[in-house]
This record gives sequence, structure tokens and C-alpha cells, in this order.
Amino acid sequence: EDQVTQSPEALRLQEGESSSLNCSYTVSGLRGLFWYRQDPGKGPEFLFTLYSAGEEKEKERLKATLTKKESFLHITAPKPEDSATYLCAVQGTSGSRLTFGEGTQLTVNP
Amino acid sequence: GAVVSQHPSWVICKSGTSVKIECRSLDFQATTMFWYRQFPKQSLMLMATSNEGSKATYEQGVEKDKFLINHASLTLSTLTVTSAHPEDSSFYICSAGTLAKNIQYFGAGTRLSVL
Repeated sequence: EDQVTQSPEALRLQEGESSSLNCSYTVSGLRGLFWYRQDPGKGPEFLFTLYSAGEEKEKERLKATLTKKESFLHITAPKPEDSATYLCAVQGTSGSRLTFGEGTQLTVNP
Repeated sequence: GAVVSQHPSWVICKSGTSVKIECRSLDFQATTMFWYRQFPKQSLMLMATSNEGSKATYEQGVEKDKFLINHASLTLSTLTVTSAHPEDSSFYICSAGTLAKNIQYFGAGTRLSVL
């Protein structure tokens, strides 16, 4: 059974204070690892897909990296508008379903 | 691109009534659509996967007769919560994907409150 664990559960940062969110996973054959952003009362917004260890992707202040056991979402010089819950999900080679972690609730204070 | 529209965004109904939620892919054809349920402060739990023109595949523990899913076209899937009860109150979210691009795009969600 695929499993995803995200840490920390919640993270408070000051504006400009860089940090990283962790996503540890176990999956029987990784087809893809996905990062989404979810604002309160909204559906998840797609950020990145990573397919193999060593892969990195960047978008504005966000950078996602992948190893064989975990993924990191690095946030550089965050702004208050980056406040949201960040969700990590894995997709195994057995099918199309995604298994989500519990998410990290990020708050960036001005 | 890759916009998924979900309607309604919020619905309140009486216990025992049925509620239909629509999920549309606006600018692409979705070979597969997914329905999730999310409780407060929790992550998304997959309820079912549906492919256009075929019966939905339900996750273990999800009642097929209570949560009716129809995927009649490549751009529309519906979830009907039949004989709703207060314990069905939750946030329901759909997503849509294609074989060509292995990414699920999500709708904005529907908040269901059953009185």
C-alpha cells in the first residue's frame, strides 16, 4: 500500500525566511510524485510533477526535489501570499490513483 | 488551460434528499475523473475513479448505491449523494486527467451540509 508522510504539520515563517517542507513516501514503483497547493475552501492547485530521483523543478519561489525516499519543497524568501496548505501525492505504476499526504499548513507573516 | 469547473460550490439540503454535484473539464477532454472527500484539517480521500462510458471503480468502504457516479462524456462527470444524512456533510472535490498528460487537475470543491 502506498504511503505518504508530510512534515511538519504546520510551519510559521516570517516574510523572507526560507525553509523546506518534507514528503516521505513508500510506493511500489513510482510513476510520479506531485505537489499541490490548497487554499482554504478551495480545490488543490497543481504545482509540480517529479518522475525520477535527482529531478528538480522550479516555479517562482518554489523548488521541488526528489530522492528515492522523499521529496522536498523549498520555499525561498516567502511572501504572505504563499500561505496555504501544501499537499504531496504519489502515483504508483499500478494505476492512476493518487495517494495524498496530510499536508503542511504554511503561514507566512508579513 | 486545464480548467476544471465544479458546481455547486456550496449546497445545504435536508436529511433524506439527494444532491447532485457536477464536474466539467472546460478546455480538455478528460479520459478519467476522480472524486475525493475531504474532512476539516484532513487530506483528500479518494472515493472513486471513473472512465468515460464505463462504470466507476469505488474505493473500499465507499457505498456504490449511496454515491452514484456517472461519467457520460469526456467533459462531464456527476456525483449524486442519495438519501443524504448529516454524516455525509463534507467537502467533495473532483479532479480530471488525461492519458496524454499524467496530471490531475482539480475543481474548486463542493461544500455539502446536510441538516
